[in-house]
Amino acid sequence: DGGITQSPKYLFRKEGQNVTLSCEQNLNHDAMYWYRQDPGQGLRLIYYSQIVNDFQKGDIAEGYSVSREKKESFPLTVTSAQKNPTAFYLCASNLPGTSVRFFGPGTRLTVL
Amino acid sequence: ILNVEQSPQSLHVQEGDSTNFTCSFPSSNFYALHWYRWETAKSPEALFVMTLNGDEKKKGRISATLNTKEGYSYLYIKGSQPEDSATYLCAFIKNYGGATNKLIFGTGTLLAVQP
Repeated sequence: DGGITQSPKYLFRKEGQNVTLSCEQNLNHDAMYWYRQDPGQGLRLIYYSQIVNDFQKGDIAEGYSVSREKKESFPLTVTSAQKNPTAFYLCASNLPGTSVRFFGPGTRLTVL
Repeated sequence: ILNVEQSPQSLHVQEGDSTNFTCSFPSSNFYALHWYRWETAKSPEALFVMTLNGDEKKKGRISATLNTKEGYSYLYIKGSQPEDSATYLCAFIKNYGGATNKLIFGTGTLLAVQP
C-alpha cells in the first residue's frame, strides 16, 4: 500500500539534544512538507521540498533543519536551538498536479 | 498575516443530529479552500477542494459550500454518526500571482458524536 510513514510515533528528548524525525513515502510524490501542531493553533509549515536536493524554509524554520537526498525521504532534525520543541509533527506530500496534501500519522515529540 | 478561523472550536452532538461548522478566510486574492478530516490516531485526509465561488461539494452525508466574496465556507454533516467524530480542518490558499501551493490551516473544529 502506498503511503507516508513517520517514525517513531512518540519521541522523548532531553533538553539540549538534537533529534531527527523520520518521514518516508512510497507514493513517488515530488513535494514533501513538515508541519507542526500546537494546542489551539493551526498546522504551521516548518520546511518543504519541491524536488530532491532542494528545500525551502516555511513559516517557523528556526531551530530546525532538513535534508532531501532521496525522493522517498525527508527527515527533520529538531536542534537544540529550537526554543519550544515539544509538539506534534506531521509530514506530508503533495498529490501531483494538485495542492492536496497527503499526510503521515505524525510524531509526538516531548522534551524533558 | 493571513487568518483562517474555524468555529465552533468543538461540538458535541447526538447520533442522528445534523450539524454544520464554519471556516472564515480572507476574501481577497482567493485561490482555493481545502477541507480535511482528522480522526484520532490517524492521518488527516482530504475531503474537499473548493475553488469557485458558489461551489458545493458532497461526499455521502457530508457537504460543503463556498462563498469567496464574503470569505467563508460551511461544512455540513447530515445525520451524524459516531464514525464522523473527528477534527475537521480547513486550509486556505491565497493567490500570490505565481506558484500557489501554500496552505494556511485553521485551528479545526472537533466533532464528537454520541451514540
